[in-house]
Amino acid sequence: EIVLTQSPGTLSLSPGERATLSCRASQSVSNNYLAWYQQKPGQAPRLLIYGASTRATGIPDRFSGSGSGTDFTLTISRLEPEDFVVYHCQQYGSSPYTFGQGTKLEIK
Amino acid sequence: QVQLQESGPGLVKPSETLSLKCTVSSGSISSYYWSWIRQPPGKGLEWIGYMYYSGTTHYNPSLRSRVTISVDASKSQFFLKLASVTAADTAVYFCARGDDFWRGWGPGTLVTVSS
Repeated sequence: EIVLTQSPGTLSLSPGERATLSCRASQSVSNNYLAWYQQKPGQAPRLLIYGASTRATGIPDRFSGSGSGTDFTLTISRLEPEDFVVYHCQQYGSSPYTFGQGTKLEIK
Repeated sequence: QVQLQESGPGLVKPSETLSLKCTVSSGSISSYYWSWIRQPPGKGLEWIGYMYYSGTTHYNPSLRSRVTISVDASKSQFFLKLASVTAADTAVYFCARGDDFWRGWGPGTLVTVSS
């Protein structure tokens, strides 16, 4: 089973700043099958990125994904107030599909 | 755009079977994969398993001995059964469309395991 470790656990930034969230895998993710989700309190996750770097339909271009192998990054170029929630990474390169523990983005 | 809605008991006794239903609307259940994912309160997400509308299933090995996912395509519904539950199975349960990553999710339903 691939273990995903997200860092930092909490990231404190201000609106307008750039956020860089990390997701590290315990072994290489096949075909870079890595997704990112955003989760607001009391809601289901929303798909942001799949295939490490492809934005899902309707996702603003301030969200971008990069990385390969074991190291992946979600970048939010200019933080909007609604971006201060929790982000999860998930690998689907090998079963069982697994998630990271999440990064909480909070307003500084 | 397809919509999903989970339903089922919010409270299940230890050692009993958790049973949930997901109703798919505004779209066909055919030709797609359908999944269940859960999230214990304050914790991360865990993939439970998926099935194809025709009946093929694939489960998380950590839950395989207790999980059954089934479908009733005529009613656009699919189901989750989790046997022999314990307090560790207390979670928000989500149904979602897809097999390996998930574009559409239901809002989730909290199931508490307690006597």
